[in-house]
Order: sequence, then structure tokens, then C-alpha cells
Amino acid sequence: QVQLQESGPGLVKPSETLSLTCAVSGYSISSGYYWGWIRQPPGKGLEWIGSIYHSGSTYYNPSLKSRVTISVDTSKNQFSLKLSSVTAADTAVYYCARLVVITSFFDYWGQGTLVTVSS
Amino acid sequence: AIRMTQSPSSFSASTGDRVTITCRASQGISSYLAWYQQKPGKAPKLLIYAASTLQSGVPSRFSGSGSGTDFTLTISCLQSEDFATYYCQQYYSYPSFGPGTKVDIK
Repeated sequence: QVQLQESGPGLVKPSETLSLTCAVSGYSISSGYYWGWIRQPPGKGLEWIGSIYHSGSTYYNPSLKSRVTISVDTSKNQFSLKLSSVTAADTAVYYCARLVVITSFFDYWGQGTLVTVSS
Repeated sequence: AIRMTQSPSSFSASTGDRVTITCRASQGISSYLAWYQQKPGKAPKLLIYAASTLQSGVPSRFSGSGSGTDFTLTISCLQSEDFATYYCQQYYSYPSFGPGTKVDIK
């Protein structure tokens, strides 16, 4: 059974960089599939942030592209998100998930982690 | 960017009801559409992909239809565990989600 688990600071100061990691178990990232990040502001809808393949090729939401970096560490079977220059508008529950192909639906999700941007 | 809309935004229903939720894309997306169910405090759960293919383990009371710009999610006989928010998502281009439809108890 594929499982994903997000981890990282729950509080980030404005203008700083948000950093999260998603640990994958039950499946080797190196075996295939794509891996992505989605966020959901409190009480609002879902927004795709970006996706990555085990080779390192990435695909970002154009609206966030200038601030987003997604990377993968196959030796640790995990992938990471960095979002720079955060503001209160970046406060959200951040989910990691698996995609079948680079632009696809998400078949496995992590439980999500709330990140609050506040001084 | 492909914009997704859903209707209604929310509604009340009773156990046993047949319910239909509509999703519309701002441009044609063929059948590149998925549906998710989300309960409070939980991650979304994939119900349907390719507009009408039921994800493994999802009850057969859920069904999806449509292609191009107009899609529907139908729950044939609403159960207590189905009260939740439902999102559509297109993947014809970079993924984008609809705003959600909340189904609550009448």
C-alpha cells in the first residue's frame, strides 16, 4: 500500500521560504510515476503547485512558478517543496500526492500538513 | 489556464436520494477529468478518473459521465458516509480543480 507523509515547520514568517518534505513508503519513487504538491487554504478549494518525476524533471503551476522548487531524493524515497517569499496568502494545508503521468489525476495522497505564514 | 466551475456550490439531501453534481470546463478537455471526495480534516479521495472510470475500491453507486466541457458525478443512492465536499479536476493541461460542491444532510 502506497503511503505518503508530509513533514516540515507548521509556522513560517512572511518573506521567508516554506520547506516541506514528503516521505513515500510502500513504493519506490525510482520505479516510476510522478509526485506532486497541492495546497488548500483554510475553507477554500484545491490548488496544484507542481510535480516531479524521479529523474528530476519538473512541472510547475505558472502562477507559482517563480517561487517554487520541487526536488527529489531517490536514496531517501522522498521529495520536497520549497516556496519562497511567502505571504499570509500562502497559509494552507499542503498535500503531497502521486500522479500517474506528469499531468494527471492524483491517486494517493498524504494526510496534509497545515502551514501558517505569520510573524 | 483552464477554469473549472461546479454547480451547485452546495445542497442538502437525504439518505437514499439520487444526487447529481455538474462540472464544466472553460474549454474542451476530452475525458481528462477526475472526481474527488473530501471529508473535513481529511485529504481528498479519488473516486473517478477519465470522466467515467471508477477507481478501485470505490462503491458502484458513484458514476461519472461527460466529455468535452460538461461532466456529471452521480451518486445513485446517497449513504450517510457520502456527505462530503466533491471536487472535479481536469488534467488536459496543467491540473486545475473546480471550487467544490458540498453535500450535507437535509
